[in-house]
Amino acid sequence: DGGITQSPKYLFRKEGQNVTLSCEQNLNHDAMYWYRQDPGQGLRLIYYSQIVNDFQKGDIAEGYSVSREKKESFPLTVTSAQKNPTAFYLCASTRQGSYNEQFFGPGTRLTVL
Amino acid sequence: RKEVEQDPGPFNVPEGATVAFNCTYSNSASQSFFWYRQDCRKEPKLLMSVYSSGNEDGRFTAQLNRASQYISLLIRDSKLSDSATYLCVVTNNAGNMLTFGGGTRLMVKP
Repeated sequence: DGGITQSPKYLFRKEGQNVTLSCEQNLNHDAMYWYRQDPGQGLRLIYYSQIVNDFQKGDIAEGYSVSREKKESFPLTVTSAQKNPTAFYLCASTRQGSYNEQFFGPGTRLTVL
Repeated sequence: RKEVEQDPGPFNVPEGATVAFNCTYSNSASQSFFWYRQDCRKEPKLLMSVYSSGNEDGRFTAQLNRASQYISLLIRDSKLSDSATYLCVVTNNAGNMLTFGGGTRLMVKP
């Protein structure tokens, strides 16, 4: 079955630690995205990548970093510089140039203690 | 002004009711429009695209008014399973970036 996987589903970290969230897709999609969702709010774009070895900052990139070494993978690192990292993180992908839907992974709920 | 605005609700309706959600967007050059559904603590999933001529999918009808920069979603004969948050989504000029509204929460009661 094709789809997007994110792991882990729940993640707890101490303040000041970096943490990397995994996102893998086997849909052969070119573009991948990371969003953050806070309670009662819509999704906000953190980073996106339209092709391997290239990525762009979204609206709230500060305190985050990404890499895109493989088409299938787009990991997100939440660094200690991110002031309020506790949130629901969603990864999505779509075909390049597509006006169609973005497919979302199941999300990772990060809690920083 | 937010790029995509929605009434957060919640809308509490009885089973069988008809309910309508509205959404306004600020970018007049937006290319594509969607309604996504998000269940509690889950990822968003596409409910339907919204076309200029209006479109219907079963009990769901979506309308777009480009002149007023306004999108609507009508749900007829509400079911308990329709309880969710409905996200209005608008693309950028190129059609490859999405902007999400804050969502409207619907609760359908027996």
